Amino acid sequence: DAMVIQNPRYQVTQFGKPVTLSCSQTLNHNVMYWYQQKSSQAPKLLFHYYDKDFNNEADTPDNFQSRRPNTSFCFLDIRSPGLGDAAMYLCATSRGYRETNEQFFGPGTRLTVL
Amino acid sequence: SQKIEQNSEALNIQEGKTATLTCNYTNYSPAYLQWYRQDPGRGPVFLLLIRENEKEKRKERLKVTFDTTLKQSLFHITASQPADSATYLCALLRAMEYGNKLVFGAGTILRVKS
Repeated sequence: DAMVIQNPRYQVTQFGKPVTLSCSQTLNHNVMYWYQQKSSQAPKLLFHYYDKDFNNEADTPDNFQSRRPNTSFCFLDIRSPGLGDAAMYLCATSRGYRETNEQFFGPGTRLTVL
Repeated sequence: SQKIEQNSEALNIQEGKTATLTCNYTNYSPAYLQWYRQDPGRGPVFLLLIRENEKEKRKERLKVTFDTTLKQSLFHITASQPADSATYLCALLRAMEYGNKLVFGAGTILRVKS
């Protein structure tokens, strides 16, 4: 089945220690998104790629970076995680920017910062 | 600033009853609105999309209404079942320079008791 896969499902890191989360998709979608979701809060868009074009949200901290080496894979790098970065990180894809395009989400990576 | 409000209190209902969830928004006029279901520890799953010129949309036991005058969408689940227990998120489409993005509400928890 076509899907969005995130690894690892659970990640524990230490304060200030860089961490990379990965996302892969078999849907062949143009757009890949990264969201941060804290407990009982809305998913918050960090940035996304349309093919190789990167679009950062204005309020995303510089501590968060992303790479998309090919259509299938996208990575979220947190350069120096703080306690406030503990959250669920969701990767999503969509076919494009059309208004009717739904987003397909992965299962998320739960990040704990010690 | 744009705001999306969903009931922060959980909705508890009895099996077989109709569940009605509310999504209100301010300072915005979206052309499209989407509803997603999110189970604990999982990514959201798309359910329905409704356009601004559609008053109502149905899919099996689900019904969504969209009132652009009231700036409100209602999401109904008829003949609810315990398996419908989850968090339901509404998301508005926001036009950006590069294309469109979804802005999510924090969701409402629905608990259906047998």
